[in-house]
Amino acid sequence: DAKTTQPNSMESNEEEPVHLPCNHSTISGTDYIHWYRQLPSQGPEYVIHGLTSNVNNRMASLAIAEDRKSSTLILHRATLRDAAVYYCILRETTFGSNYKLTFGKGTLLTVNP
Amino acid sequence: GAVVSQHPSWVICKSGTSVKIECRSLDFQATTMFWYRQFPKQSLMLMATSNEGSKATYEQGVEKDKFLINHASLTLSTLTVTSAHPEDSSFYICSARDSLAKNIQYFGAGTRLSVL
Repeated sequence: DAKTTQPNSMESNEEEPVHLPCNHSTISGTDYIHWYRQLPSQGPEYVIHGLTSNVNNRMASLAIAEDRKSSTLILHRATLRDAAVYYCILRETTFGSNYKLTFGKGTLLTVNP
Repeated sequence: GAVVSQHPSWVICKSGTSVKIECRSLDFQATTMFWYRQFPKQSLMLMATSNEGSKATYEQGVEKDKFLINHASLTLSTLTVTSAHPEDSSFYICSARDSLAKNIQYFGAGTRLSVL
């Protein structure tokens, strides 16, 4: 299984940017990098995904290293509602167009008011 | 965004009874749905992948006769925990992949199962 490494926890202050790192040194050429987050007692929520180029959406930005062995999820202005466990996942292709998401331990983000 | 509805959100049952959990994609068709289990302070563990109209594919170590999965339509999958025991108490989460936007999985809010 392709694996990712994330810090167990990070802290941020409200309205400040947050950079959540992820290492995936064994990534293969066809693996997409996905980020999901999970608020307490809820199911995960899709945040963003990318393959090679940096990506932006209304929730966050994803910066992917040139060698693709690491990536960083960027929350531009953290709010208290961003406090969650953030999962960096390599989307493994199983067969055909099928794939499955394997969740690691993720990073627990605490946002201080 | 797309919505996945999971029901019930919380269920308490006696040991030995069966519990059915429903997962519906409300505004998209889902050829593939997934069932996860999450124990307290742990990450999500994939239990099985179900494709509409065919048998589910179970992950290693998951008992297919205990966790029955049915995916009879493009918007509905069910997970039945048969003869539940206290060790089956967990947070069960379903997920659906949009048949058109295949890069994204949408998750339900989860079902907390407590077996007494």
